[in-house]
Amino acid sequence: QVHLVESGGDLVRPGGSLKLSCAASGSTFSDYYMNWIRQAPGKGLEWISYISRSGRIIFYADSVKGRFTISRDNAKNSVYLQMNSLTTEDTAIYYCARRESDAFDLWGHGTMVTVSS
Amino acid sequence: QSVLTQPPSVSAAPGQKVTISCSGSNSNIGSNSVSWYQQLPGTAPQLLIYDNDDRPSGIPARFSGSKSGTSASLGITGLQTGDEADYYCGVWDSSLSAGVFGGGTKVTVL
Repeated sequence: QVHLVESGGDLVRPGGSLKLSCAASGSTFSDYYMNWIRQAPGKGLEWISYISRSGRIIFYADSVKGRFTISRDNAKNSVYLQMNSLTTEDTAIYYCARRESDAFDLWGHGTMVTVSS
Repeated sequence: QSVLTQPPSVSAAPGQKVTISCSGSNSNIGSNSVSWYQQLPGTAPQLLIYDNDDRPSGIPARFSGSKSGTSASLGITGLQTGDEADYYCGVWDSSLSAGVFGGGTKVTVL
């Protein structure tokens, strides 16, 4: 059984930085296309980033482009999200999710990021 | 404003059927596969439908998906109280090179 577990969420000041991690267990992580998706309190889902199996192909939503960086370490079965220049609008639950057959078929439980002064 | 348009809410009595629509454009629904997600209160989303109309193992046949042109829909038959949740459509947008979701639809069982 494959599981994704996010960590690193915290309370951070506006303008600050934070790095989220997502660890996978149970299968061959290097076969996974990985994504980060967030959900602001009381709001809908927002896709924010994708990384290919090798890490060579990366996409970002316009809302985070230039501020967030996705990366992965297949040897550690992990994907990361480095978040810089955070604003209150980045306050959300951040989920990592595997993309398979053009769908997000496996989700973590999420980690909460709160940006507040 | 979401790229994909869903109704904010739908409701029906137990045992009845609801249909949730998802409207997009040629660059997303019109050219890529649609997926649907169920989010029960306080939990992470779960995949319900992929490739427009396929169900992952473990998802009951009461849930069905379809796509036509630039629109897609999710149907839930034999509605149960446990189906009360938020439902989202999702697809890749080839013009944006980004994943996009609908704004979500809250299903209420009356």
